[in-house]
Amino acid sequence: AQSVTQPDIHITVSEGASLELRCNYSYGATPYLFWYVQSPGQGLQLLLKYFSGDTLVQGIKGFEAEFKRSQSSFNLRKPSVHWSDAAEYFCAVGASNDYKLSFGAGTTVTVRA
Amino acid sequence: NAGVTQTPKFQVLKTGQSMTLQCAQDMNHNSMYWYRQDPGMGLRLIYYSASEGTTDKGEVPNGYNVSRLNKREFSLRLESAAPSQTSVYFCASSPKGVSNQPQHFGDGTRLSIL
Repeated sequence: AQSVTQPDIHITVSEGASLELRCNYSYGATPYLFWYVQSPGQGLQLLLKYFSGDTLVQGIKGFEAEFKRSQSSFNLRKPSVHWSDAAEYFCAVGASNDYKLSFGAGTTVTVRA
Repeated sequence: NAGVTQTPKFQVLKTGQSMTLQCAQDMNHNSMYWYRQDPGMGLRLIYYSASEGTTDKGEVPNGYNVSRLNKREFSLRLESAAPSQTSVYFCASSPKGVSNQPQHFGDGTRLSIL
């Protein structure tokens, strides 16, 4: 079964600074990887996904993520954060032969002025 | 552009009471899901419906039942609520019942059990 680890529970970053959120997955075959964002009081919104092909994927709101098979990682990045990026971010992994989408515990991002 | 709609948004119950959480999607998706979100644990799958007429247990099904009423609606029932079921509940849907399809989420139901 697949699983996800997000090593950072909480990250604080200054507005305008870069952001990187870590995600490590465990799965024996080619994973299907997702990043979701959750603003306070809201549901989860899909930022980006990786199924195959180019290992650098672009998403909404200026986010990108890079799939590194050798490191079992799918880290999320943004070059310059805005105050509106303060939210909780979830990495998730799925497989084509399974209904289950496994989520990490989440990383809370605080943006300081 | 409603997407996935959950009702109610907030609810407080007493231990032992019953409750049904409602979920409806207007995207013509085949698959629907119920998750619970607890601090530090991410989202855990309670039940899943691959298509109309089918339901399956997820990671944490104990204490819950579900009904896939039709293609649009998927409800979650707590027959005898317990404090351990205090959580935020999310409904989601996806085009097909395999997890390489992005799931679309509702805004959640915040449930407190006293």
